Amino acid sequence: QSALTQPASVSGSPGQSITISCTGTSSDVGDNNYVSWYQQHPGKAPKLMIYDVSNRPSGLSNRFSGSRSGNTASLTISGLQAEDEADYYCSSYTSSSSYVFGSGTKVTVL
Amino acid sequence: EVQLVESGGGLVQPGRSLRLSCAASGFTFDDYAMHWVRQAPGKGLEWVSGISWNSGTIGYADSVKGRFTISRDNAKNSLYLQMNSLRPEDTALYYCSQHIRDSLHPGYFDNWGQGTLVTVSS
Repeated sequence: QSALTQPASVSGSPGQSITISCTGTSSDVGDNNYVSWYQQHPGKAPKLMIYDVSNRPSGLSNRFSGSRSGNTASLTISGLQAEDEADYYCSSYTSSSSYVFGSGTKVTVL
Repeated sequence: EVQLVESGGGLVQPGRSLRLSCAASGFTFDDYAMHWVRQAPGKGLEWVSGISWNSGTIGYADSVKGRFTISRDNAKNSLYLQMNSLRPEDTALYYCSQHIRDSLHPGYFDNWGQGTLVTVSS
């Protein structure tokens, strides 16, 4: 199972919106609703940000939103803040009953 | 508060074995499936293995199939990963992660531990 494709880096100024794409295939991202997103700060464990394509865990800022079109999922961060600077990974359940992660995107707040 | 604490990592020679443990607390352990996810230094996340609440369903990534064995002891609130025939490419930080439900498929990774580092080198 190959990793899902994400841009290596995305940047934006405080207050702006950015979108991270996550491209898979009809066997993973395009196959089911179990697409999730994780934020990872340096030296820290990943943290769940979005699940089931577009749902936010309780208490998470509504500045984070998820969507999907075909085999590509997206994470949008609106009102970008300094604390959003981190690595972001998408993940999907697959038709072969396994899980695959994206290659990861480094978000830089300018 | 959910707590997942991994242990058992260290430096090991290629071809040798290592057993990782994950101690869980703050939730009803046998209500949830569990996973191991690893991250090589400076690299991305990779799903390694998962196990359902009663060990009835188990899955492995192709990269570890036949070499790694996942198990759990619900009486001890613990998850394990027996790693045999270790290779340099198995060098990574290994995370324990809580699934969202008792069955293994499908779902996502809800809570994570801080990881335990495994280094495979001669």
